[in-house]
Amino acid sequence: GENVEQHPSTLSVQEGDSAVIKCTYSDSASNYFPWYKQELGKRPQLIIDIRSNVGEKKDQRIAVTLNKTAKHFSLHITETQPEDSAVYFCAATPFPLLTGGGNKLTFGTGTQLKVEL
Amino acid sequence: GAVVSQHPSWVICKSGTSVKIECRSLDFQATTMFWYRQFPKQSLMLMATSNEGSKATYEQGVEKDKFLINHASLTLSTLTVTSAHPEDSSFYICSARDGMNTEAFFGQGTRLTVV
Repeated sequence: GENVEQHPSTLSVQEGDSAVIKCTYSDSASNYFPWYKQELGKRPQLIIDIRSNVGEKKDQRIAVTLNKTAKHFSLHITETQPEDSAVYFCAATPFPLLTGGGNKLTFGTGTQLKVEL
Repeated sequence: GAVVSQHPSWVICKSGTSVKIECRSLDFQATTMFWYRQFPKQSLMLMATSNEGSKATYEQGVEKDKFLINHASLTLSTLTVTSAHPEDSSFYICSARDGMNTEAFFGQGTRLTVV
């Protein structure tokens, strides 16, 4: 099955600086890679995703890059703000969906991001 | 995005009792629902996948007789923790997707404490 590794486990940055979180995956069949932000005690929220037919995707201060050959993808947050402080999870899954939509997300171990004033 | 509602948001129960957690998709038909368990400062660990009208598929190491999953309709799945023990205390989260989209929408989670 799929194995997703995520680094670093904790990351502290100064407000305004950039933050980068990296993930690697093992299953070459995976081709959909979402990133989730989870605040303490709350549900994970999708912040950006990328499919394997593109190498980079950007949404305002957030960008994701994907290197299929190396099987790694990264989350980049620029101009960080205190409200960016949370746990971030990467995930991987094959796409298109199997019958019944049973493809399952495999999550990374999470990165606790702290943006300091 | 679509809305997935999970109840209760927290529950405290006595050891040996059973607890039922509900997960509802409010504005879409969830052909597949996923149940996760998350221990403090850890990742989401998939427990089982359920497709509407069929038996759930459990991940290795998850006891199907202890964690009963029912997905009787396209908008409702339930997880029942039977004979709960303190080690079952955790944050349980469901997610749901329809058959067409890759995005999975999460419920708000249930904090279970077994005393």
